[in-house]
Amino acid sequence: DGGITQSPKYLFRKEGQNVTLSCEQNLNHDAMYWYRQDPGQGLRLIYYSQIVNDFQKGDIAEGYSVSREKKESFPLTVTSAQKNPTAFYLCASSIAPGSSYNEQFFGPGTRLTVL
Amino acid sequence: AQKVTQAQTEISVVEKEDVTLDCVYETRDTTYYLFWYKQPPSGELVFLIRRNSFDEQNEISGRYSWNFQKSTSSFNFTITASQVVDSAVYFCALSEGSYGNKLVFGAGTILRVKS
Repeated sequence: DGGITQSPKYLFRKEGQNVTLSCEQNLNHDAMYWYRQDPGQGLRLIYYSQIVNDFQKGDIAEGYSVSREKKESFPLTVTSAQKNPTAFYLCASSIAPGSSYNEQFFGPGTRLTVL
Repeated sequence: AQKVTQAQTEISVVEKEDVTLDCVYETRDTTYYLFWYKQPPSGELVFLIRRNSFDEQNEISGRYSWNFQKSTSSFNFTITASQVVDSAVYFCALSEGSYGNKLVFGAGTILRVKS
């Protein structure tokens, strides 16, 4: 089955710790994205990558880092510099930049709680 | 700057009622894409529809229909004969440009369908 997987589903972090959220896709999509969702709000873009070994900051990149070493993987690290990391994190992918079929497909999400 | 406004925070209807979710957008680009996503309680966003700025045809898919009006910068979503399974948060989103993959989301509308 083609799709996007995120792990873990729930993650608890102590203050001052870095944590890494996993995102894998087997849709052969070129572009991948990370969003953050806070209660009662829409999604905000953290980072995106349109090609392997390249990524761009989104609207709220401070306190986060990413890598894109493989086409199918786009892990997100939430660093201790992120002041309010408790949120629901969603990973997405889309076919290719410039394609008219540019809808994004989402994974099931990771709920991160800072204790 | 691009912006999406979903003025209805929450709507409650009784099963079999029709319901319309409003979406108003702002953009300076002449080429852009509009999307609707559904987020059920499980959290994963489900893609419903993509519409590009050059195609103002309305679309119907089963009980779902969409009305795109460039003159009023609106892209409204109607569910006919609502069902309890339609209960979810619905997001409208916008991406700009022919190269556009970055999505800007509205705050979402919570739809509650009661039996």
